Amino acid sequence: QTVVIQEPSLTVSPGGTVTLTCASSTGEVTSDYYPNWFQQIPGQSPRVVIYSTNSKHSWTPARFSGSLLGGKAALTLSGVQPEDEAEYYCLIYYGGGWAFGGGTKLTVL
Amino acid sequence: QVQLQESGPRLVKPSQTLSLSCTVSGGSVDSKSYFWTWIRQPAGKGLEWIGRIHGSGSTNYNPSLKSRVSISVDTSKNQFSLNLSSVTAADTAVYYCATQTYYSDSGHVFEIWGQGSVVAVSS
Repeated sequence: QTVVIQEPSLTVSPGGTVTLTCASSTGEVTSDYYPNWFQQIPGQSPRVVIYSTNSKHSWTPARFSGSLLGGKAALTLSGVQPEDEAEYYCLIYYGGGWAFGGGTKLTVL
Repeated sequence: QVQLQESGPRLVKPSQTLSLSCTVSGGSVDSKSYFWTWIRQPAGKGLEWIGRIHGSGSTNYNPSLKSRVSISVDTSKNQFSLNLSSVTAADTAVYYCATQTYYSDSGHVFEIWGQGSVVAVSS
């Protein structure tokens, strides 16, 4: 079964830039994996911020961007705001279905 | 705009079957535009994709749950449902229903989620 790996936690200063990554145990993550990124604030349902590698939803702030970086999917936040503090999950497609990463707790400090 | 709402028992006994429904409003459950999806999250832990059913009726399940999971559609109630058999305490979680949509110009997106239904497995 596919295992999806994310950094457990990251800390960033307000106004700074941070990149979260998403790796697959099966090898390189490509656009064919359609990586989705979700933001989850405690007590709320997850909300997609990036889909299919780098597409933004209508509600996604411009400071969020998605890419492929060194064989992984990546989510970059530029000009981080305090309200970006949350858990972030990636989700990738592996042919038979989908698999979530373990999540990255992003602290804005 | 499609909206989703989970419903079902909040408490299930070990070894029994967990059954949840997701009511679709603002759209039709037999629409070919969506994969109707179930996802769960144990308290304080990460998300787990359980499985999906397409408007055509085809299904895909998480291999780790495949032997116990069934997802179906009830067009008369405009609902899709999750059945998880032989449950244990490890199945205690918040269960979300969600849509997976494919856009030909931009790919797959999980954009609509229910608010989640808390289910505890306990005797």
